[in-house]
Amino acid sequence: DTGVSQNPRHKITKRGQNVTFRCDPISEHNRLYWYRQTLGQGPEFLTYFQNEAQLEKSRLLSDRFSAERPKGSFSTLEIQRTEQGDSAMYLCASSTLATAGETQYFGPGTRLLVL
Amino acid sequence: AQSVTQPDIHITVSEGASLELRCNYSYGATPYLFWYVQSPGQGLQLLLKYFSGDTLVQGIKGFEAEFKRSQSSFNLRKPSVHWSDAAEYFCAVPGGNNNDMRFGAGTRLTVKP
Repeated sequence: DTGVSQNPRHKITKRGQNVTFRCDPISEHNRLYWYRQTLGQGPEFLTYFQNEAQLEKSRLLSDRFSAERPKGSFSTLEIQRTEQGDSAMYLCASSTLATAGETQYFGPGTRLLVL
Repeated sequence: AQSVTQPDIHITVSEGASLELRCNYSYGATPYLFWYVQSPGQGLQLLLKYFSGDTLVQGIKGFEAEFKRSQSSFNLRKPSVHWSDAAEYFCAVPGGNNNDMRFGAGTRLTVKP
């Protein structure tokens, strides 16, 4: 068990460019979550997958954001036409099928800076 | 809706001193409650969680937390802080349907030598 991994760890881009982040969850974890964390705040939920199905999106996930988990393993989060307000840490987490109180295991995050 | 509040944005303690970080929850029934720690530039690591039974929960790294229903609190404690405990600490509660985790704003811990 190598834990949740995320790539890249850091990304600097210019406003208007597209970026894509990857998350590899703990193997055999059915659920995968994406969160966004801005400076001085706790993580905020963006979306989650159960296997390959994206089952919930928060209002934070604008139309410029899209997430996929095509084979129920790794996931990608794409941001199109980035804006300076997208600058944040993007965290991925995974868990087994949700039962009450199931622990989410977090990756190290991808820090995005939009210039 | 389920939520948690961490009243202290920043706390400074001396190495070797005791520590208590506050967390208040808003939830009708008995909640599931978590404490995570985040070191600079890192993801979140689970310290401990509560979901039933004994209200005093032991975690990793010498941390413990006590669930107090009468005060709607789940405070994190450590009897003797080490310099390596300097980090950001987050209290969290599952959202509706257990589809997400809702975090407090965090408490940043500074440890003085």
